[in-house]
Amino acid sequence: GAVVSQHPSRVICKSGTSVKIECRSLDFQATTMFWYRQFPKQSLMLMATSNEGSKATYEQGVEKDKFLINHASLTLSTLTVTSAHPEDSSFYICSARKALAGETGELFFGEGSRLTVL
Amino acid sequence: AQSVSQHNHHVILSEAASLELGCNYSYGGTVNLFWYVQYPGQHLQLLLKYFSGDPLVKGIKGFEAEFIKSKFSFNLRKPSVQWSDTAEYFCAVRTAGGYNKLIFGAGTRLAVHP
Repeated sequence: GAVVSQHPSRVICKSGTSVKIECRSLDFQATTMFWYRQFPKQSLMLMATSNEGSKATYEQGVEKDKFLINHASLTLSTLTVTSAHPEDSSFYICSARKALAGETGELFFGEGSRLTVL
Repeated sequence: AQSVSQHNHHVILSEAASLELGCNYSYGGTVNLFWYVQYPGQHLQLLLKYFSGDPLVKGIKGFEAEFIKSKFSFNLRKPSVQWSDTAEYFCAVRTAGGYNKLIFGAGTRLAVHP
């Protein structure tokens, strides 16, 4: 199979603190990972594309200093929400594409991480 | 900007009923089309996809979808649903040259009653 795991699945933090969410491809190497955000009853919104060993590419309107993405290895990408505020509360989902799969390779999704900022 | 519209947010059916979930997209060029499913407590997983060729695509678990280019639609169908089909269904579009960036619809939550 191709399993993508996120940790933590749920996190509650105080306003002003930073939170790190990990996305791991458990049984394959992923050169590219994607981070999505989902608001209640809305679609998944792509935040950024994370490439191993290089800087992430952010979508328009996404603050790169607010949402720090690091893809230091072929199996791990992290999303850090810095100085979190209640409006950052959301469901964050990552997906990964197998290395060598090409641009049309299937994406495999993590289970998502629900962030609640008090 | 490209967008994906799913017409129904919630659908409730009895077992053995037929299912059709609507999906329309706005983009005039070449697209790849996907339906994903998320069962309760599980990851999003690919149900079926269309890249080219036969516009009627068959996926897992008896699902199929038809790409109608003139209508910019990619509706999902299943002739007879089961209780185990209870899930949320997402339509997604990737535009040509989109480097695998998927644009998702808002999702349709399907509840199948025994």
